[in-house]
Amino acid sequence: KQEVTQIPAALSVPEGENLVLNCSFTDSAIYNLQWFRQDPGKGLTSLLLIQSSQREQTSGRLNASLDKSSGRSTLYIAASQPGDSATYLCAVRRDGGATNKLIFGTGTLLAVQP
Amino acid sequence: NAGVTQTPKFQVLKTGQSMTLQCAQDMNHEYMSWYRQDPGMGLRLIHYSVGAGITDQGEVPNGYNVSRSTTEDFPLRLLSAAPSQTSVYFCASSYSTSGTDTQYFGPGTRLTVL
Repeated sequence: KQEVTQIPAALSVPEGENLVLNCSFTDSAIYNLQWFRQDPGKGLTSLLLIQSSQREQTSGRLNASLDKSSGRSTLYIAASQPGDSATYLCAVRRDGGATNKLIFGTGTLLAVQP
Repeated sequence: NAGVTQTPKFQVLKTGQSMTLQCAQDMNHEYMSWYRQDPGMGLRLIHYSVGAGITDQGEVPNGYNVSRSTTEDFPLRLLSAAPSQTSVYFCASSYSTSGTDTQYFGPGTRLTVL
């Protein structure tokens, strides 16, 4: 059974710092992996989607990497800003079938201090 | 586009009451799904639909019914609410089940069952 773990559960950093959020999964046979951002009282916003054949994806100050063999993904945030404060979730899609089911980690709560 | 909308935002029910959580999207997405989010457990898939008239069960379907009479709407029905159904419910949609299609999430409905 696929399990997704995110460590740490919470992280506080000063503004301007570069930081890395970690995501690990137990079954390396994945279809793709997504990183989402969740703001309090709001829904999830997709940040980056990495296909199983890809090693990384970049969007602005965000860079996500994927190492299937070790069951790990990292989300790198450069030059963090207070507006980056949110919960970050990673989710693994197991296969390409119609279920389109995502298996989520429990998230990392990020606080960027001004 | 309004994206994915959900109503109500908050709801309090008594045990045994029934209610319908509404979800609509205006992006002509074929795939829609419902997740519940509980502390420490991440999001879990309840039901999903790959098109109008087609629905199927996800990981935690017991106590919930769905239907998909139109492409735009995907309501979630609680037939007899139980305290274990206290959760935050998210509706999501994507254009297809292709691995390159991002899933868009609604803002959520916070449900409390007393």
